[in-house]
Amino acid sequence: NAGVMQNPRHLVRRRGQEARLRCSPMKGHSHVYWYRQLPEEGLKFMVYLQKENIIDESGMPKERFSAEFPKEGPSILRIQQVVRGDSAAYFCASSPIPAGGLETQYFGPGTRLLVL
Amino acid sequence: QQQVKQSPQSLIVQKGGISIINCAYENTAFDYFPWYQQFPGKGPALLIAIRPDVSEKKEGRFTISFNKSAKQFSLHIMDSQPGDSATYFCAASHLSGYALNFGKGTSLLVTP
Repeated sequence: NAGVMQNPRHLVRRRGQEARLRCSPMKGHSHVYWYRQLPEEGLKFMVYLQKENIIDESGMPKERFSAEFPKEGPSILRIQQVVRGDSAAYFCASSPIPAGGLETQYFGPGTRLLVL
Repeated sequence: QQQVKQSPQSLIVQKGGISIINCAYENTAFDYFPWYQQFPGKGPALLIAIRPDVSEKKEGRFTISFNKSAKQFSLHIMDSQPGDSATYFCAASHLSGYALNFGKGTSLLVTP
């Protein structure tokens, strides 16, 4: 059973370009969570999605960032017009039911984004 | 604002020793406290978790101690092994919630 898959693992973009990060949850998981880890910081929650729905995007920056989880295919975190401050590791996690204390979130290996 | 504060930032322990990592939280509504282990190039993996109705939970060499009144919890790794060398994150959330609030992490190195 493959774990959570993220690609690319490393992504380099120049300022002003777009970054697209993909996350394929574990088989049977329909709940996806995105976290961002800035250098020397802990992971910070960004957004929680179910298939075709954004449940909670309270941790997502209001501008330039968007996320989707279509009926078919991976979840996508999209960052438009990247700036150097977007350089971070972006982790995706998934769970079979809404995650809480009784259900673990399973994390992918992350995408390291570097903005030049 | 950092809702969970973790210390130390890095830790070096000899093989066979005890590794201790501490965390403190502010939000008294948090009622789920997991610890994650992360190896280089990998995502965080759940190691052990505790709820505030108990003061201690042990799984193998890993123990969480929880002090509700002080709003602190800690991870103890007994008989530390080189294979335990990793980054450890504490986190806190609501039991019914999903957004984990992570500490900044502790880089543990266990020397042979």
